[in-house]
Parts: sequence; C-alpha cells; structure tokens
Amino acid sequence: GEDVEQSLFLSVREGDSSVINCTYTDSSSTYLYWYKQEPGAGLQLLTYIFSNMDMKQDQRLTVLLNKKDKHLSLRIADTQTGDSAIYFCAERPGSSNTGKLIFGQGTTLQVKP
Amino acid sequence: DTEVTQTPKHLVMGMTNKKSLKCEQHMGHRAMYWYKQKAKKPPELMFVYSYEKLSINESVPSRFSPECPNSSLLNLHLHALQPEDSALYLCASSQDVGGAGSGELFFGEGSRLTVL
Repeated sequence: GEDVEQSLFLSVREGDSSVINCTYTDSSSTYLYWYKQEPGAGLQLLTYIFSNMDMKQDQRLTVLLNKKDKHLSLRIADTQTGDSAIYFCAERPGSSNTGKLIFGQGTTLQVKP
Repeated sequence: DTEVTQTPKHLVMGMTNKKSLKCEQHMGHRAMYWYKQKAKKPPELMFVYSYEKLSINESVPSRFSPECPNSSLLNLHLHALQPEDSALYLCASSQDVGGAGSGELFFGEGSRLTVL
C-alpha cells in the first residue's frame, strides 16, 4: 500500500542546518513534495522533486531523493526562527490519476534562538 | 497569481445551522479539493472535483455537501454538523488530476470551523 512516514519532532539552534527525513513505500511515485504549515495557516508548497532526480536545490533548501531506499530529505541551511513550523512530506502515487497526494504525519521543527 | 482564497477564515455554528465555506482560485486550474485537518495531523482528503465534476468522495458523511459552480469556485455546504466536525477545512487546487504535470497542490489558508 501507499504510506509516508516522518519523525514527529526536530529541534535545532538558529543558524544550524535542519534535516527532515521522510520514507515512502510506493516505488512508482512520480513526484514528491515538501509543504510547510505555520500555526493557524494553510499548507505552503516549498518544493518538489521528480522521481528521476536525486537532488534539487532552491536557495536555503536542498532536497535529496534516494529512490532505491525510498528516502526523501529536506535540508534547511542557516535555519531561522521563522522556519519553525510543521513540515509535511507528500508523494504522488504513480498509479494515481486522481490528483490525490499521500501525506506523512508531519515533522514539527522547533528553532531555538 | 498562485493564490487560493477561502472565506470565511473562522466560522462558529450550532448543530442545527446551515452554513457554507467558499473557495476561489484564478490560476486556471481544473482540479479543486476539500481537505479536513485536525490539530497537528496531516490533511485528510474529502472531495476532488475535476473539470467541475465530482471525481472523488472519500466516504464523507452527507452532512457535508460540495458544489463546484464553475472552474474557479468551490463551495462546501454544511448542515447538521457534530462537534467532532470542528477542524480546519482546507481548499486546494491543481492544474489537473492527470499524470502529465508535476501535480502540486496549492492550498488556501483554511476556514477554521467550530461546531457547538
């Protein structure tokens, strides 16, 4: 079946790098996404990666994809207090023509000053 | 414009009330979604509209009734809700539901519903 797992909590110091990890089960996933949700807000798309790529960089964000291990990570360089939020990993199953995404449980990132 | 707009931002209603949540997007997207989200949980899919037709209903109780008047608008009509329906209701849109594009969903800020 389709499943996405994330660790629930990560705490870092301001200025450090944060690495949020995600594993998924569907080997035919086409796209994988990272969303950020601040308190009381909706989900903001941060970045996504196509399954035939192994890395994507966008300013402070680096996404690494290990397709063999079905492992996705999001690295945030120079983490700021404004990065404190819940981060959701999501996959688009390869079999899906419904638009449905499978979300992980979310990782709460706490950034200490 | 990559914005999905939801109104109202907050709604408090009694169990006998009828109310509606509204969602609008002007990105030319042909797929629109309703999600329900409880605190500190991932969003749960409720409905998907594709080209203004309901394509997915995730076994949602009939007290929730979606409507897609046109390709830019999506409503969620609420009637006889229960306190456990209190949650953040998120609308999202995507280019379409098919496999051709990157398929990312763009979410609104949500409508926080409290049922008394």
